[in-house]
Amino acid sequence: AQTVTQSQPEMSVQEAETVTLSCTYDTSENNYYLFWYKQPPSRQMILVIRQEAYKQQNATENRFSVNFQKAAKSFSLKISDSQLGDTAMYFCAFMKRLNNAGNMLTFGGGTRLMVKP
Amino acid sequence: DSGVTQTPKHLITATGQRVTLRCSPRSGDLSVYWYQQSLDQGLQFLIQYYNGEERAKGNILERFSAQQFPDLHSELNLSSLELGDSALYFCASSVRLAGVDTQYFGPGTRLTVL
Repeated sequence: AQTVTQSQPEMSVQEAETVTLSCTYDTSENNYYLFWYKQPPSRQMILVIRQEAYKQQNATENRFSVNFQKAAKSFSLKISDSQLGDTAMYFCAFMKRLNNAGNMLTFGGGTRLMVKP
Repeated sequence: DSGVTQTPKHLITATGQRVTLRCSPRSGDLSVYWYQQSLDQGLQFLIQYYNGEERAKGNILERFSAQQFPDLHSELNLSSLELGDSALYFCASSVRLAGVDTQYFGPGTRLTVL
């Protein structure tokens, strides 16, 4: 079974600054996918970014980028130029490569990020 | 807006009762997933359906059941409700994007058991 750990329950950052959220995972799989989802106060789960484990290049989506270290089983999220709208709970999630046994997401416990003006 | 719809948004009921949560996936998505988010258990996968058939099962109680209909909408049935079943229940549907099965979540149904 896979486990996902987010060691920072809460973080804060000043508007326009950069912040990094940590995530580590444990798996015996070699092919898998990693995701970051955000959950703002509205409680909607919103996909932020995804990474395929077989790709060495780190994924980037506008102000969001990841640092994927496969050997260390680490998948951190960097938010640049933080905005007030980035205030949310952030969840790291793991998914095994597509197979007929299902494609469920395993989530970490979340990091609550507060962006301060 | 993810394109996944869930009804109702809120549900308040009493212990011992039975409720049904409904989910309509994004157009064209064949897979539907159900997740439970509670304060003590976090976000947990319950069950997945693919084109009407059960594909995977997670930490779903025997009191809970689900199905996916021919039009691909899904229902999650919760029976003999207990206080601990109070949670936010999410449905997600998935699409293959650049080879990655990516899940998009609905707005959730907040269930309160009194």
